[in-house]
Amino acid sequence: KQEVTQIPAALSVPEGENLVLNCSFTDSAIYNLQWFRQDPGKGLTSLLLIQSSQREQTSGRLNASLDKSSGRSTLYIAASQPGDSATYLCAVRPPSGAGSYQLTFGKGTKLSVIP
Amino acid sequence: DVKVTQSSRYLVKRTGEKVFLECVQDMDHENMFWYRQDPGLGLRLIYFSYDVKMKEKGDIPEGYSVSREKKERFSLILESASTNQTSMYLCASSFKGGYTFGSGTRLTVV
Repeated sequence: KQEVTQIPAALSVPEGENLVLNCSFTDSAIYNLQWFRQDPGKGLTSLLLIQSSQREQTSGRLNASLDKSSGRSTLYIAASQPGDSATYLCAVRPPSGAGSYQLTFGKGTKLSVIP
Repeated sequence: DVKVTQSSRYLVKRTGEKVFLECVQDMDHENMFWYRQDPGLGLRLIYFSYDVKMKEKGDIPEGYSVSREKKERFSLILESASTNQTSMYLCASSFKGGYTFGSGTRLTVV
């Protein structure tokens, strides 16, 4: 059974710092990996989607990489801002077939950016 | 952009009540999902649907049922609400690529 781990569970950084959030998964047979952001009491907002054939995706100050063979993904946030404070979750989707619609989520990294 | 709308942001219901949580998506997606999210347990899949009138159990279907009569609407039903169903409920839809989530419904059962 796929397991997704995000370390650390919480991270506090000063404003302006570049930072990396980590996501690891146990089964390298994935269809894609998606990073989400969740603000307190709110739903999930999709940040980046990486297909299994891709190595990275970029959107603004965010860059996500995927190393499928080692079961790892990183989310890089450049020049962090207080507005980046949120919980960041990664989720993997299995390849096509039975259960292919079901995402497996990590438990998230809670990021605090201190002004 | 796909929009997934959950009808209520906050709900308070009494134990034993029948509760309906509604979710509507506007992009003709085939796949829709209901999750619940609890501190320390993360997101857990309750039910999903890959087509009209089709449904599949997720990891924690007990105490819940679902209805999908139209492609754009996926309803979660708590037949007899209990206090252990107090949680944040998240609806999502998906086509070939990623998932889009609604803003969530915070349900409190008293």
